[in-house]
Amino acid sequence: GENVEQHPSTLSVQEGDSAVIKCTYSDSASNYFPWYKQELGKRPQLIIDIRSNVGEKKDQRIAVTLNKTAKHFSLHITETQPEDSAVYFCAASRAGNNNDMRFGAGTRLTVKP
Amino acid sequence: KAGVTQTPRYLIKTRGQQVTLSCSPISGHRSVSWYQQTPGQGLQFLFEYFSETQRNKGNFPGRFSGRQFSNSRSEMNVSTLELGDSALYLCASSSDRGQGYTFGSGTRLTVV
Repeated sequence: GENVEQHPSTLSVQEGDSAVIKCTYSDSASNYFPWYKQELGKRPQLIIDIRSNVGEKKDQRIAVTLNKTAKHFSLHITETQPEDSAVYFCAASRAGNNNDMRFGAGTRLTVKP
Repeated sequence: KAGVTQTPRYLIKTRGQQVTLSCSPISGHRSVSWYQQTPGQGLQFLFEYFSETQRNKGNFPGRFSGRQFSNSRSEMNVSTLELGDSALYLCASSSDRGQGYTFGSGTRLTVV
């Protein structure tokens, strides 16, 4: 089955700096790569996703890049704010007929004011 | 539009007992997946149901089972509870069109 590795496990940045979280996956058939944000005591929430036919996607201060050849994808957050502090999870799946989404171990991002 | 509803929110059980957790997906969503979340292990995939059939299963022992009803509601059962089963159990639903999951608030299970 799919195996997703995520780095770093913790990340601390100053407010206004950028944060980058990286993930690798093992199943070359995976074609859907979402990112989730989980604030303390809350449910994970989808913040951005990318499909295998796209190399980059941006939504305001958040962007995701995908390198299918190398089987890795990254989350970029620019101009970080204290409310960005949370645990971020990457995931990979073969979307379509089967939903078998596997998650990375998570990155705890702390944005210091 | 109602979100994913999980009941109960909290449970305390004794080692050796069994427990049943419930998940009602977003209306129209036919895919329901279950995850175990623990501080050290992240989100571990348990299983996924679609149209009352288990399509995918993670690496959990047979004590963990589930089912899905014709209205897409799903239940998860854990028998012979162990202390290590203490975790947040999250259910997520999807439209099964390659869309991301919507998670419920979870059921926090404590085994004593």
